[in-house]
Amino acid sequence: NAGVTQTPKFQVLKTGQSMTLQCAQDMNHNSMYWYRQDPGMGLRLIYYSASEGTTDKGEVPNGYNVSRLNKREFSLRLESAAPSQTSVYFCASSETTGRSYEKLFFGSGTQLSVL
Amino acid sequence: LAKTTQPISMDSYEGQEVNITCSHNNIATNDYITWYQQFPSQGPRFIIQGYKTKVTNEVASLFIPADRKSSTLSLPRVSLSDTAVYYCLVGERTNAGKSTFGDGTTLTVKP
Repeated sequence: NAGVTQTPKFQVLKTGQSMTLQCAQDMNHNSMYWYRQDPGMGLRLIYYSASEGTTDKGEVPNGYNVSRLNKREFSLRLESAAPSQTSVYFCASSETTGRSYEKLFFGSGTQLSVL
Repeated sequence: LAKTTQPISMDSYEGQEVNITCSHNNIATNDYITWYQQFPSQGPRFIIQGYKTKVTNEVASLFIPADRKSSTLSLPRVSLSDTAVYYCLVGERTNAGKSTFGDGTTLTVKP
């Protein structure tokens, strides 16, 4: 049981280049999230998807787009990378159930550097 | 979204009990309190969650007073491997990821 898998683990881009970060979960979770974490700071929510077919903006969505490809996969795209997007990106998933409070399950992260 | 305030850092020694307090003065009636642990180069990992009073699991206890304006994560008999950043989140029962991560508390356990 792999949990939440992110690819790639490391990436270096030049300013203006585009790329897509991939995330897949095998826990049959409804909700998926993308965060960024800058050095010495907490995680900030970029986008989330409460269920397949829906996406919503989080705290810091500018410069990013997302696609909920199916229930398992949620990708994050940088159309024109900027140095300010240098960060560690984490994908997470959670299960929406009737009564219990959700727990977040995180991937191991993608270290992105934009030169 | 409820804002949380935690100490930036704490030091402890192996074998001691560590208590990390989180303030959340504007917690809403339906909000839950959840704590996560993050090691370097890893994603956060769920530790414990609760709504009121006391919750205990195999790794920690969570104490929540009646007014729910704060909470305390208690780690019994810490070891070097407990050195990590600890985050307190307050948020809705559903869409847990919409809860705001603060800057967390860096706990350093010394031998």
